[in-house]
Amino acid sequence: NAGVMQNPRHLVRRRGQEARLRCSPMKGHSHVYWYRQLPEEGLKFMVYLQKENIIDESGMPKERFSAEFPKEGPSILRIQQVVRGDSAAYFCASARQSTSNEKLFFGSGTQLSVL
Amino acid sequence: QKEVEQDPGPLSVPEGAIVSLNCTYSNSAFQYFMWYRQYSRKGPELLMYTYSSGNKEDGRFTAQVDKSSKYISLFIRDSQPSDSATYLCAMRSMDTGRRALTFGSGTRLQVQP
Repeated sequence: NAGVMQNPRHLVRRRGQEARLRCSPMKGHSHVYWYRQLPEEGLKFMVYLQKENIIDESGMPKERFSAEFPKEGPSILRIQQVVRGDSAAYFCASARQSTSNEKLFFGSGTQLSVL
Repeated sequence: QKEVEQDPGPLSVPEGAIVSLNCTYSNSAFQYFMWYRQYSRKGPELLMYTYSSGNKEDGRFTAQVDKSSKYISLFIRDSQPSDSATYLCAMRSMDTGRRALTFGSGTRLQVQP
């Protein structure tokens, strides 16, 4: 029973390039959350998606960032025209349903480095 | 003011000590409280999950929630070097419009052999 799978584990981009981060939720889970973590800081919520729907994107920067969770395939977090400040660890978590008591399980993260 | 405050540490203890980790919060709507453990360069791993006030015990770990004081704690008994990690508290309200967890900044724990 595989856990939450994220790839790549490490991603290096030059300023101005695009970054695509992928997240495959646990089997049977249809809810995905994306978080960003800067060094020595906690996780900051970015976006919450269900299959084919963005439910809450209140933590997502208004420009350059987008996320999707298609009917088939992994959830994608896309960062266009990356800048040095985008360098961080990006984690996704999945949940089976959207009830308040639902537990979130995290992947191992993608470390994005912008040169 | 952050919604969830957590002392970043580092907290260094000898092996076998009792460890106390704490978080305070300001949002009285938080009802679900979690503790995650995060090893270096790894994803957070769910350790403890509690609802509302009270205690919950699981092996060497005990989670306490005091909603009247807006204060939660995680106790680790007989600490081991393998417990060395960053511990993150997380919370969630019952607000249907806000499903995401809110995290503290994490406390780095070092257990010295």
